[in-house]
Amino acid sequence: GDSVTQMEGPVTLSEEAFLTINCTYTATGYPSLFWYVQYPGEGLQLLLKATKADDKGSNKGFEATYRKETTSFHLEKGSVQVSDSAVYFCALSSFSGGYNKLIFGAGTRLAVHP
Amino acid sequence: DAGITQSPRHKVTETGTPVTLRCHQTENHRYMYWYRQDPGHGLRLIHYSYGVKDTDKGEVSDGYSVSRSKTEDFLLTLESATSSQTSVYFCAISGGGLADYEQYFGPGTRLTVT
Repeated sequence: GDSVTQMEGPVTLSEEAFLTINCTYTATGYPSLFWYVQYPGEGLQLLLKATKADDKGSNKGFEATYRKETTSFHLEKGSVQVSDSAVYFCALSSFSGGYNKLIFGAGTRLAVHP
Repeated sequence: DAGITQSPRHKVTETGTPVTLRCHQTENHRYMYWYRQDPGHGLRLIHYSYGVKDTDKGEVSDGYSVSRSKTEDFLLTLESATSSQTSVYFCAISGGGLADYEQYFGPGTRLTVT
């Protein structure tokens, strides 16, 4: 079945460091791909998305490119801030059983220190 | 903000008691979902609804039931709570002005079963 694998955390960085969180997926067909972010004590917020191969999603300085050849959707940011500390979830959406099914990775916790 | 609220936000209950969680949305979204979040598992789908009185099971539906008698409300019931149902529960919506494959999440309900 469809699945998402993302790098285990926690990832600990200093402020202004470069961030990469790896995400790979297994899916039949052509899923849409997402990154969600969860700040402490809050729900998940949609951070960015890509709906087809080679699309680049971007938001708040974060980027991810839908790579069909490597089945990957890695999250990157050039210069992280303390306020980026959160848990990041990679997810895919595929149409199955009559609805759009969203499958999540296990999440990667990011801690940014001043 | 997709206008989603969840109640209660926190609940402690005893094993064997029934519990109902409520998800309320204000923007006429067609699809509603209940997930549970557990460490190491990301989010897993419990049940979903594709319209009033139209519901179906997700991947971890055992021990849970749902009802949707109005577009705006989606209820999750634990008929007889067990300690394994201690979790954080998130409601999500899609459709009705949003792309069907994009889901937006409520703030969550933290449930502890003692």
